[in-house]
Amino acid sequence: QSVLTQPPSASGTPGQTVTISCSGRSSNIGSYYVKWYQHVPGTAPKLLTYRNNPRPSGVPDRFSESKSGTSASLAISGLQSEDEADYYCAVWDDRLNGWVFGGGTKLTVL
Amino acid sequence: QEQLVQSGPEVKNPGASVKVSCKASGYSFTKYYIHWVRQAPGQGLEWMGIINPRGGSPNFAQKFQDRVTVTRDTSTGTVHMDMRSLTFEDTAIYYCARSHGDLDGFDIWGQGTVLTVSS
Repeated sequence: QSVLTQPPSASGTPGQTVTISCSGRSSNIGSYYVKWYQHVPGTAPKLLTYRNNPRPSGVPDRFSESKSGTSASLAISGLQSEDEADYYCAVWDDRLNGWVFGGGTKLTVL
Repeated sequence: QEQLVQSGPEVKNPGASVKVSCKASGYSFTKYYIHWVRQAPGQGLEWMGIINPRGGSPNFAQKFQDRVTVTRDTSTGTVHMDMRSLTFEDTAIYYCARSHGDLDGFDIWGQGTVLTVSS
């Protein structure tokens, strides 16, 4: 069971906006910036989000993040078929003294 | 081109040890932390630990602390991860990834090393 909770799946049609949530606690999301990764199976994960860092090269501004308290969200606007992938949130956790990943959300573009 | 290149696939018996290497190129090796992340079949990403190429003790998740040793070779820009007492549950893809600071995102990843533990 992951320390960070994500929905196992999400879906949308081309052009729509999809939001993926990530729920944690005060020792992780409540205290640190959440990072989001896109992972197409068989390839290396890709860093998506940029809060407190420059936007990673090649990441379109269709991807945006937000945080409130101990929860964070990744929004993907103008959904495209190439966005079909697994998405993970990750953050440092003070109690565990290490990074933790969410369980991942499989995004399907219908 | 900034990249991390990992060693090739491994097949090991239960109880054996494995060494996975991660070679940095195209950037200053000592300016970025190196993390190890794994993904077991059908599972999500799991952070294993972090090493500072400038020195100091690696920081690994408690479940790996007794079985994993990480070393760095600044002359070749390579980090090696040794894992002992392998079990079937260690079958996974192992990735190395870099971050500028220990709390920064992992912006470059290796291609992954497939480890299969099988009898």
